[in-house]
Amino acid sequence: EAQVTQNPRYLITVTGKKLTVTCSQNMNHEYMSWYRQDPGLGLRQIYYSMNVEVTDKGDVPEGYKVSRKEKRNFPLILESPSPNQTSLYFCASSFGRLAAPWEQYFGPGTRLTVL
Amino acid sequence: AQSVAQPEDQVNVAEGNPLTVKCTYSVSGNPYLFWYVQYPNRGLQFLLKYITGDNLVKGSYGFEAEFNKSQTSFHLKKPSALVSDSALYFCVVNDYKLSFGAGTTVTVRA
Repeated sequence: EAQVTQNPRYLITVTGKKLTVTCSQNMNHEYMSWYRQDPGLGLRQIYYSMNVEVTDKGDVPEGYKVSRKEKRNFPLILESPSPNQTSLYFCASSFGRLAAPWEQYFGPGTRLTVL
Repeated sequence: AQSVAQPEDQVNVAEGNPLTVKCTYSVSGNPYLFWYVQYPNRGLQFLLKYITGDNLVKGSYGFEAEFNKSQTSFHLKKPSALVSDSALYFCVVNDYKLSFGAGTTVTVRA
C-alpha cells in the first residue's frame, strides 16, 4: 500500500530534550516536506526537500532541522524543543521535484506536546 | 507573494442540501489550486486540483470545484451533502510554493 508513515504518533516531552520525528514514504517520491498545523493558521511549511541531500527552508524553519540522506526518509529534528513548538506535525511527499502541480500525500500526523 | 483565503471558519448544512466551501486566492502567475480534506484524527487527503483547461474540476467523493479567474476564486461544491462529509477542508494554492488556507470546518447535520 502506498503510504507515508510517521513515528511517533504522539509525543510528550520536556523543554530542551532533543527529539526526532521520523517520516518514510514508499512511493519513490522526489519531493518531501514537513508542516505544522495550528488552529486558525492552516498548515505552515517547515522544511522541504526536492531530492536526496537537497533541503530548503519553508515558512517557519526556526528551531527545526531536517536531513535527506535517503530518498524514502525525511526525519524532523528538534534539537532543543520549546513549548511554542507544541503542535500537530505532518510529513508529506509528492511525485515531482517541485511541489507543483502534484498532489501531496500526507502522513497521519504526530501530535507533539512540549512541557 | 501568493496567498489563499477561506472566508468562512465554519459551514453548517443539512444532509441532502448543497454544500459550498469558499476559497479565494492571490498569485502573480497562473495558479495550481487544490482542495484537501482532513477527517478527525487523520492526515489530509487530496480531493481535487485545477491545473489548466476546463474550469469545472471533478474530484473524489462527489466533490467538484469551479475555477473563476476573474474573481480569483476556487469554490468547492457538492450537490447533496452527507453526514460523512463533516470534516475540515483546506484550499491550497501552489505557485512557487504551497500556501494553505486556514481551513473551513464543515458540519453536516442529519
